Formats: sequence, C-alpha cells, structure tokens
Amino acid sequence: DAKTTQPPSMDCAEGRAANLPCNHSTISGNEYVYWYRQIHSQGPQYIIHGLKNNETNEMASLIITEDRKSSTLILPHATLRDTAVYYCIVRVDDFGNEKLTFGTGTRLTIIP
Amino acid sequence: KAGVTQTPRYLIKTRGQQVTLSCSPISGHRSVSWYQQTPGQGLQFLFEYFSETQRNKGNFPGRFSGRQFSNSRSEMNVSTLELGDSALYLCASSSTPGPYNEQFFGPGTRLTVL
Repeated sequence: DAKTTQPPSMDCAEGRAANLPCNHSTISGNEYVYWYRQIHSQGPQYIIHGLKNNETNEMASLIITEDRKSSTLILPHATLRDTAVYYCIVRVDDFGNEKLTFGTGTRLTIIP
Repeated sequence: KAGVTQTPRYLIKTRGQQVTLSCSPISGHRSVSWYQQTPGQGLQFLFEYFSETQRNKGNFPGRFSGRQFSNSRSEMNVSTLELGDSALYLCASSSTPGPYNEQFFGPGTRLTVL
C-alpha cells in the first residue's frame, strides 16, 4: 500500500476554511484517496474519497493534484465540532487483497 | 438506519484470559473489518470478513481470530491476553468489500488487560 504523510497538527480559526494537506507520492493508478476523522474516543468517521477528480460533498471538498501525489482536504467553514484527528489513507483497487491502512493523521484544533 | 454497534463498550480482563468482542454491522452490510487502535501504534488492521469468509488478515499473531455469521454479525476473539493487547478495538462495516465503498465504524470496545 502507498504510504501517506501528514503534518502532525494544525490550528484553524473558527469560521475559516481548514486546509489539510496529505502527501502520497508513491500512490499507484488504482489506489483511491480516502479521508476519515476521529473525534476523541469515537470511531473514525468517513468524510470523502476520490480517485483523480476533485470531489465535494456536504462535509468537505477533496482536491487531488494532477499527478495524484498529494491531496488537500478542505473544510469550508470550520466549527469547533471539527476538532479531531484527520486521517488520509490510500486504498488499492484489488479485490481480495485490500484494506484500510491509517497513518498517524493530523490533529486539527479549531480555535474560537 | 442504525449504525454499527459493538458490545461490550468496555472490558477489563487479566493476563492469560481470553475475550470475545461482538460487532453488528449496518443492516444490509456484508463486509466487516476489525482494527486495533493504541496510542503507540495507531490504527492497525486486524482482519476483514465478507459472506462468512475471511478475505484479508493483518500482521497479528494467531491469538487474534475472528468469524462472521450468516447474518453478517462478527466476533473477534483474543486468547491468552497480554498487557499489550490493551487497546480500542474498532469494527467497521461496508456494503461490499473494495475501496469504492466507505467503511462505517462503530464506537469501539475499549479493552484493558491487567
């Protein structure tokens, strides 16, 4: 599985856009980029995923660079409830040999 | 639609004992995965089941085992518990295996081994 690199921590002011970067320079063509977050003492929560096109849903936007070696998760208007550890993961498209591999994640703190 | 449920939520055991954790996936989901989360190692994949068959297995010793029933509910068992097995054990379900489908996680079972 491709490995991901994320900054260990970030701060963002409440109401501003939070931009969380992820480096996945060894990603291969059939690997999807997933983002999850984990609020203290809860199970990880799915946010968004993509292959090569940018994606947007009600929670966030995912921007994947053209070479797919990095991506950015954007929370457009961060609230205090967005304080969590955010994980960027790549998942291979290979039925029968696939699993989620989490990195160390970015601890995002939203500041009032 | 109810989410993934895990029982029990908290468990305290002593070294050498065994433990069984249970996971009920979201209704209609047939794929169940188990993860171990510790402060030192982060989230690590244990195994995945689909239609009562183990599809994938992580790098854990044979003391860790699991199974899935015909109703998609899953159990994992840890025998001969060690102090290092203290962790949050998370279960996740998805409709089918594969990276196209997001996994939905349960709240976890926090196991403490004394």
